[in-house]
Amino acid sequence: EAGVTQSPTHLIKTRGQQATLRCSPISGHTSVYWYQQALGLGLQFLLWYDEGEERNRGNFPPRFSGRQFPNYSSELNVNALELEDSALYLCASSLGLGQQPQHFGDGTRLSIL
Amino acid sequence: QKEVEQDPGPLSVPEGAIVSLNCTYSNSAFQYFMWYRQYSRKGPELLMYTYSSGNKEDGRFTAQVDKSSKYISLFIRDSQPSDSATYLCAMNQGSNYQLIWGAGTKLIIKP
Repeated sequence: EAGVTQSPTHLIKTRGQQATLRCSPISGHTSVYWYQQALGLGLQFLLWYDEGEERNRGNFPPRFSGRQFPNYSSELNVNALELEDSALYLCASSLGLGQQPQHFGDGTRLSIL
Repeated sequence: QKEVEQDPGPLSVPEGAIVSLNCTYSNSAFQYFMWYRQYSRKGPELLMYTYSSGNKEDGRFTAQVDKSSKYISLFIRDSQPSDSATYLCAMNQGSNYQLIWGAGTKLIIKP
């Protein structure tokens, strides 16, 4: 069974640009979660999608947004990039309605120059 | 006060030792408890998933939940250098509730 896949592996941007990160969940999983993990810090919850709807949002500004497609894959968009947005962005998936546990991909490392 | 407290370490032990990793929490409604292992530059990998109180064993790993003390533990027997990683605890009340994470404990197993 294929795990959670994320692309790209590494993304380099400059301040003010926009970044798009992609995630494909495990087959059969309809919930997708996004987390930010800055260097040396814990996981910070960003967004939770289930059945195409945003179910919950962490304490991040509106320039962090996303969506979930009919095939349950998901996109995270970060606008007006700032230096402090440099981090590992992790996607996780689970069975529907937020059932646990979550299974993670290996992340996209976003570097802002 | 954080909802979930976890000592960041690092915790350094010799190969073959028994390792004990712990988290404490404040919300008595938590029922689902998870331990993840994260290697450098990788995503967290689910190790153990338990519901309510009690013990669960999987190979060299044992997860223990004590809801009366609001305390969970992960024991690793016969520790190996390949167990060197950051271990994260996570928990919640159930579906539709956000998963609450510990900060992670960095474990180093010395050959």
